[in-house]
Amino acid sequence: DIQMTQSPSSLSASLGGKVTITCKASQDINKYIAWYQHKPGKGPRLLIHYTSTLQPGIPSRFSGSGSGRDYSFSISNLEPEDIATYYCLQYDNLLTFGGGTKLEIK
Amino acid sequence: EVQLVESGGGLVKPGGSLKLSCAASGFTFSSYAMSWVRQTPEKRLEWVATISSGGSYTYYPDSVKGRFTISRDNAKNTLYLQMSSLRSEDTAMYYCARRKGLRDAMDYWGQGTSVTVSS
Repeated sequence: DIQMTQSPSSLSASLGGKVTITCKASQDINKYIAWYQHKPGKGPRLLIHYTSTLQPGIPSRFSGSGSGRDYSFSISNLEPEDIATYYCLQYDNLLTFGGGTKLEIK
Repeated sequence: EVQLVESGGGLVKPGGSLKLSCAASGFTFSSYAMSWVRQTPEKRLEWVATISSGGSYTYYPDSVKGRFTISRDNAKNTLYLQMSSLRSEDTAMYYCARRKGLRDAMDYWGQGTSVTVSS
């Protein structure tokens, strides 16, 4: 089974700032990684799939990159509505989620 | 508008059974693979099951294989998850989510139904 190590588990940043979250896979996942935003009481929201492809309607403040085993996700120009927990998901071989990153605004 | 509405959650004793449903609308249900994913009390997301668009193929992680069964009724636009031999570690919020195919990420999710396994 593929394991996904996501870091950090939590972070705090200022409005207008930038944050970066990383996910490391236990083996090459061929860019089949997605990133989700999850807020309490709702289902997760797909932001990015296939490493860097934005879902329709998702602002360009969100971005993703990576290859092989190493991937990253960034949010720039942080806004109050970005407060959420973010998860990576590998879907190259079955499905495995990262442990999540809780984002707080300073 | 794509909508996925889960139901059927509740409190069940260890060793018991429960059947979850997910009513889909706003898209051609029979054209999409579907998955169940759960969020544990520790906030981990765990994949539970996937079914192909036609229902012929199903996939499970080892943690639920042999205990959970995913199925679908394309005529009723409904996805199911039959859970048996439930354990305390199955306590979670259960979400259904759609996937275009097995090489695609889940793009729409429901709001979840809560399952608690406790004596």
